[in-house]
Amino acid sequence: ETGVTQSPTHLIKTRGQQVTLRCSSQSGHNTVSWYQQALGQGPQFIFQYYREEENGRGNFPPRFSGLQFPNYSSELNVNALELDDSALYLCASSPGGLGETQYFGPGTRLLVL
Amino acid sequence: AQRVTQPEKLLSVFKGAPVELKCNYSYSGSPELFWYVQYSRQRLQLLLRHISRESIKGFTADLNKGETSFHLKKPFAQEEDSAMYYCALRASNTGNQFYFGTGTSLTVIP
Repeated sequence: ETGVTQSPTHLIKTRGQQVTLRCSSQSGHNTVSWYQQALGQGPQFIFQYYREEENGRGNFPPRFSGLQFPNYSSELNVNALELDDSALYLCASSPGGLGETQYFGPGTRLLVL
Repeated sequence: AQRVTQPEKLLSVFKGAPVELKCNYSYSGSPELFWYVQYSRQRLQLLLRHISRESIKGFTADLNKGETSFHLKKPFAQEEDSAMYYCALRASNTGNQFYFGTGTSLTVIP
C-alpha cells in the first residue's frame, strides 16, 4: 500500500462556497500533484508542488490554489465553487522531482449543488 | 497542443486472447509516456512507463514516434486484467504537466 491518504472521502457544497481538500503523502515524498477527474474522463492536472513551491500548473483558474507543508501534507483550495467543479479530486505524491513514480490517493468526491 | 487519445472507451476480449489498448498522443517535444491502471475499488496505480522498457504483468508498450502511439499489449489476457486503463503523457516543456487520456475499460470474458 502506497500510504497516500486523502480527506474527506466525500463532500457536498453549494455554489459559491469554498472548499479545502487534504492529502497526506508518504514520508519523504517531496512532490505532490493534484488532479480533477470528472465522470467518464481521465484525470486532469491541476498543479504540482515540489518542496512547498508550485512548479507546474494546468489549465485551471486562479480560484484553484494549493499549499504543501513540510510534514508532507498538502491542501487543494477551491473558491467560488461552480457546478462544474463536481468531480473526484486526486492527489499523487512521488519521492523526488522529475521521473519519479506517482502514488495516488483514493480521492475526494466533491458534489456542488 | 498536447493531447492523449484513447479511441476505445470499452474493450472486451476472451480469456487467453491477445489484447491491445490503443493510445495516440500529440506533443511537440520528446514525450515521456505512461500507462496507469485502476482495478475495481482500488486506486490508480502505475502499470508501466516507456523509458523503463519493462514488462509488467505480461503487458508491454512500445513508443512509436513515427505514428505517435504508445499502445499497450498483452499476448494472453487474464480475467484479473479487467480494469480501467489510462494512457498518460508528461510534458516537460509545460512544467511537467501530465495529460491523461479518457481511459479504456477492459473486460476479460472467462
